[in-house]
Amino acid sequence: GAVVSQHPSWVICKSGTSVKIECRSLDFQATTMFWYRQFPKQSLMLMATSNEGSKATYEQGVEKDKFLINHASLTLSTLTVTSAHPEDSSFYICSAWSDTDTGELFFGEGSRLTVL
Amino acid sequence: QQQVKQSPQSLIVQKGGISIINCAYENTAFDYFPWYQQFPGKGPALLIAIRPDVSEKKEGRFTISFNKSAKQFSLHIMDSQPGDSATYFCAAPIRGGATNKLIFGTGTLLAVQP
Repeated sequence: GAVVSQHPSWVICKSGTSVKIECRSLDFQATTMFWYRQFPKQSLMLMATSNEGSKATYEQGVEKDKFLINHASLTLSTLTVTSAHPEDSSFYICSAWSDTDTGELFFGEGSRLTVL
Repeated sequence: QQQVKQSPQSLIVQKGGISIINCAYENTAFDYFPWYQQFPGKGPALLIAIRPDVSEKKEGRFTISFNKSAKQFSLHIMDSQPGDSATYFCAAPIRGGATNKLIFGTGTLLAVQP
């Protein structure tokens, strides 16, 4: 199946710093990618839709200035958590449709962020 | 935002038993209902999915049953094994702007006891 790769798989940073997480589609092109956030023992909450060549679309309640998304190419989307604070500590997971947006949605392995 | 309701929240099954997880949705962009399996510290992995042309889909020990009129679908795990112990999420697609996106249920933590 389609492969979505994330990097880094885990990161620890100090409060106030910014952290960038990369999401790549390895064997297919993705004009759209999705970023989810998951707290321990909770479900996946969609944060935003990353659109290649245009602005990301954020879900209600998600701070666009805190979670910067850039979809610079058909295989790469990045999520930057700016001025991170301990409450931003979470599991961030990206995903992409394998083909059209009526195909299969595949997920990356996730990135565990811990803000000290 | 539209919801996908999933139950039970947790489930304990003896090895060899049947695990059943249920989901109900409101409206969907198209009829596609996947189930994802997630192990601790890992991203969710697509387990099985059903499309509208059938009411049931079976892959090995895993079966999805779909009731369109009731807007419900369920996952059945036959001959449950300890290795099946994981969190299971159902999902449904909704339209979000120019694309479809998946909304997830609340998850079911399955524990299969040896």
